[in-house]
Amino acid sequence: DAGVTQSPTHLIKTRGQQVTLRCSPISGHKSVSWYQQVLGQGPQFIFQYYEKEERGRGNFPDRFSARQFPNYSSELNVNALLLGDSALYLCASSFQAGRGSEKLFFGSGTQLSVL
Amino acid sequence: TQLLEQSPQFLSIQEGENLTVYCNSSSVFSSLQWYRQEPGEGPVLLVTVVTGGEVKKLKRLTFQFGDARKDSSLHITAAQPGDTGLYLCAGGAGANNLFFGTGTRLTVIP
Repeated sequence: DAGVTQSPTHLIKTRGQQVTLRCSPISGHKSVSWYQQVLGQGPQFIFQYYEKEERGRGNFPDRFSARQFPNYSSELNVNALLLGDSALYLCASSFQAGRGSEKLFFGSGTQLSVL
Repeated sequence: TQLLEQSPQFLSIQEGENLTVYCNSSSVFSSLQWYRQEPGEGPVLLVTVVTGGEVKKLKRLTFQFGDARKDSSLHITAAQPGDTGLYLCAGGAGANNLFFGTGTRLTVIP
């Protein structure tokens, strides 16, 4: 079975542009979470979606938005890109939306570079 | 903000040595997970601990959750080059989002 797949793997944008990142969860998983990992740091929570509804939001500006589709895939959108948005964006899927002990399966991420 | 501090930040050891990395917080977590991340990949879950004082073993890796559920340690016995990677602890607190530590970058030299 395929794991969590993310696309694209790498992306280069310029300041002010908009970007859309995509994630397909493991088959049967209904929850998708997005994390931002800046070089040298641990991942930081952005959003969680379960059954197409937003279940959690981290401390990120409104330039960041996401949605989940009926097939449980998800998109993360970032508007008005800043240099500081350069990071590895990770998607994680899980079967349910639990209490923080749910097993998360991460994709390999999208490396976004903002010039 | 719930912060998880990991120490040491970097660790370079010879193959066969033992090591311990630490994950500390001033906050109580309902559960704590340990992940290993290799370059160009996402983190891979190693273990989840949920009970204060809990000890779990995974081959040469031993994980312990502090009695007060604020801290954890990972001990590796007889480290091997395949253990090289970024070790991340992550605390769960209610919702499904995790708070990750800054990580310990381990290099095991053959």
